[in-house]
Amino acid sequence: EDQVTQSPEALRLQEGESSSLNCSYTVSGLRGLFWYRQDPGKGPEFLFTLYSAGEEKEKERLKATLTKKESFLHITAPKPEDSATYLCAGREKGGGNKLTFGTGTQLKVEL
Amino acid sequence: SQTIHQWPATLVQPVGSPLSLECTVEGTSNPNLYWYRQAAGRGLQLLFYSVGIGQISSEVPQNLSASRPQDRQFILSSKKLLLSDSGFYLCAWTDQAGGYEQFFGPGTRLTVL
Repeated sequence: EDQVTQSPEALRLQEGESSSLNCSYTVSGLRGLFWYRQDPGKGPEFLFTLYSAGEEKEKERLKATLTKKESFLHITAPKPEDSATYLCAGREKGGGNKLTFGTGTQLKVEL
Repeated sequence: SQTIHQWPATLVQPVGSPLSLECTVEGTSNPNLYWYRQAAGRGLQLLFYSVGIGQISSEVPQNLSASRPQDRQFILSSKKLLLSDSGFYLCAWTDQAGGYEQFFGPGTRLTVL
């Protein structure tokens, strides 16, 4: 069964304190690894797609990387506005373009 | 540019009442459409997806059904709501001809009492 596991479940950082979120997956024939940001009471907002091991993508203070078994979302010098739940998802092999989501990492950045 | 709408934003319904949630997408044609449910503290669970008008695939057995009467309209329904149907319902779309990213609507918060 396809699974996506995220850790930690929750993370509290001080402003400027860099860290990484982990996403490990067992999705057969993975066809893409996706990262989303979700604010409370809102729909997830797309951040990145990674397709190949070794691939990296950056956006402001966020950088996503991919290996054969896991992905990391690195947050450099975070600010309070980076506080949100970060979700990762694996795209399954097969029709329908279906994604399997992890349960997310709830990030809180404090002053 | 593409936009996705969901309504209502919030809904409180009694057990046993019917349900209809609507999702529409603008600025694209022939999208794949998806319904997810997100329970408190849990990930997104795919309920239904559609690759075209009238084509619905169900991912989990449940009290809900979906329909796609028009290319950019996706409806989630129930004849009789259960307490366990409470949750945050999200609609998403993806471009069949482009990338594989799914883009989400603002969601509907459903509380069944």
